[in-house]
Amino acid sequence: DAKTTQPTSMDCAEGRAANLPCNHSTISGNEYVYWYRQIHSQGPQYIIHGLKNNETNEMASLIITEDRKSSTLILPHATLRDTAVYYCIVSASYSGAGSYQLTFGKGTKLSVIP
Amino acid sequence: EAQVTQNPRYLITVTGKKLTVTCSQNMNHEYMSWYRQDPGLGLRQIYYSMNVEVTDKGDVPEGYKVSRKEKRNFPLILESPSPNQTSLYFCASRNRPYSNQPQHFGDGTRLSIL
Repeated sequence: DAKTTQPTSMDCAEGRAANLPCNHSTISGNEYVYWYRQIHSQGPQYIIHGLKNNETNEMASLIITEDRKSSTLILPHATLRDTAVYYCIVSASYSGAGSYQLTFGKGTKLSVIP
Repeated sequence: EAQVTQNPRYLITVTGKKLTVTCSQNMNHEYMSWYRQDPGLGLRQIYYSMNVEVTDKGDVPEGYKVSRKEKRNFPLILESPSPNQTSLYFCASRNRPYSNQPQHFGDGTRLSIL
């Protein structure tokens, strides 16, 4: 799976949009971009994923650049409960032999400030 | 509600005393997996299962066993726990191994081996 690069930490004011960037310049054509978050020591929570088109769900929007080398997760109106570590993960839906494990990097620690 | 359920959530035990952490999912998922999370090391896959009676080692399988006799259950067995297995454990599931759908995680089991 392709490697991802994220900022170590970010702050966001409550009620404002949080924009979390991710670089995945070595992404392959069959690899999807997934975003998860982990609040304290809870289980990683799935947020959104996409291949090349922008995606939106009830939690967030995912913007993928046309060359697919980077993406941005947008939380439109951040709340204090959005304070968490956010992970950007690139993974293929099919890779032949493999464990299909998700490789979690260090992620971005997002702090939402009142 | 679709979910992955782990039990127990917390366990303190002693070296050598066999223990089992249960994992159950109600989504009829074929693929299930166990991870452990340690500070500075991220999440590492222990074992995974592509379907009933099909299991394989992940990156850190030493000291662990698993079984997959039923689709919904994927227990993690520590036959002779040791202090280096003190960790936070997560079970995850996905509809099929070869899929772009996300993996869903349980709430975690914190094990302390004294």
